[in-house]
Amino acid sequence: AQSVTQLDSQVPVFEEAPVELRCNYSSSVSVYLFWYVQYPNQGLQLLLKYLSGSTLVKGINGFEAEFNKSQTSFHLRKPSVHISDTAEYFCAVVSGGSYIPTFGRGTSLIVHP
Amino acid sequence: ETGVTQTPRHLVMGMTNKKSLKCEQHLGHNAMYWYKQSAKKPLELMFVYSLEERVENNSVPSRFSPECPNSSHLFLHLHTLQPEDSALYLCASSQDRGSPNIQYFGAGTRLSVL
Repeated sequence: AQSVTQLDSQVPVFEEAPVELRCNYSSSVSVYLFWYVQYPNQGLQLLLKYLSGSTLVKGINGFEAEFNKSQTSFHLRKPSVHISDTAEYFCAVVSGGSYIPTFGRGTSLIVHP
Repeated sequence: ETGVTQTPRHLVMGMTNKKSLKCEQHLGHNAMYWYKQSAKKPLELMFVYSLEERVENNSVPSRFSPECPNSSHLFLHLHTLQPEDSALYLCASSQDRGSPNIQYFGAGTRLSVL
């Protein structure tokens, strides 16, 4: 069985500060990992994905994430956030034996001026 | 434009009404999904269709009835809903059912049941 834990339900940060949104997963087999972003009144859109290869993955809008197999983590980072990054962020995992992603509860990133 | 369009964007209905949610994807995908999103809960997968055949039904109450007439369209028919069914209903599509399963979402229908 696969599961995802997003440790922070809300992360407030000031504009131009760095941010890290944490995600841990559990799975007994190989995994594919995703981060989705949901802006207010919109659906989810793919931010970045890890399928294989380099453990450091770069996505849209300056975000990146690092796959750490030993710690079963896939934390999302951005060195300098903007007001427009205010949104809900969802981590998701797909295990080798399944095709359905399991989503975390989401982390609300709130960027203050 | 995400390529997945949902209508209506907002819906208010009484518990005795019958209504339908519509989803259309313009991406040439073969799999479509219905999710329920409630505040601070993980997305709940409701139904999966692959090539117009229902392949997943996650113990969803019968007051929700999906329909997939072709690979581009997906409906969710609603009847005798309960107030706890109020939520954002998201439609998604993917190329197929295989991994990795990158999903493309619509903007959702915000449903309020009075």
